[in-house]
Amino acid sequence: KAGVTQTPRYLIKTRGQQVTLSCSPISGHRSVSWYQQTPGQGLQFLFEYFSETQRNKGNFPGRFSGRQFSNSRSEMNVSTLELGDSALYLCASSLRWGLAGGQETQYFGPGTRLLVL
Amino acid sequence: AQSVTQLGSHVSVSEGALVLLRCNYSSSVPPYLFWYVQYPNQGLQLLLKYTTGATLVKGINGFEAEFKKSETSFHLTKPSAHMSDAAEYFCAVGTGNQFYFGTGTSLTVIP
Repeated sequence: KAGVTQTPRYLIKTRGQQVTLSCSPISGHRSVSWYQQTPGQGLQFLFEYFSETQRNKGNFPGRFSGRQFSNSRSEMNVSTLELGDSALYLCASSLRWGLAGGQETQYFGPGTRLLVL
Repeated sequence: AQSVTQLGSHVSVSEGALVLLRCNYSSSVPPYLFWYVQYPNQGLQLLLKYTTGATLVKGINGFEAEFKKSETSFHLTKPSAHMSDAAEYFCAVGTGNQFYFGTGTSLTVIP
């Protein structure tokens, strides 16, 4: 079974631009979560989508948004990029939404490394 | 709010020595606990997890962890370090509908 795939793997943008990242979950998985990983803040939860609906959201500004399609593929969008948005963005998929109260195993993709200049 | 503390952002061990990576958590409800490993330029890979049942959990690559409720700890161990164990290790708590990650411990294995 194929793992979680993310595209693109690397991206360079300039301040003020917007960016869209894509994530394809493991076949059969309907939940997709997004995380931002930076050296200073570590791994921070962005949001979770299940059945095309955002189910949970972390503490990030509205510039960060996402969506999920009927095939469970998800996209994340960041508008008006700032230097501090430079990070590794990780996508994770799982079977059940809400992480089943926290016990669900998440399977991570390799990430998209975004550099904002 | 939940928190996960990993003591020691960098740990070095000699090849063949015991690996001990520490994780403490705060949770007002029984948590679910995970250890993930991240190799350079890769995503996170699950090493092991504790949900219910036996408090000593065995994972992949010879790693194991013990859930100690009284100490709110979930330390990761491996009896004998291998060069291939060099990586970043993350402890995570699943509770409610979210995951909370520790800041990670970078493991260096000295030949």
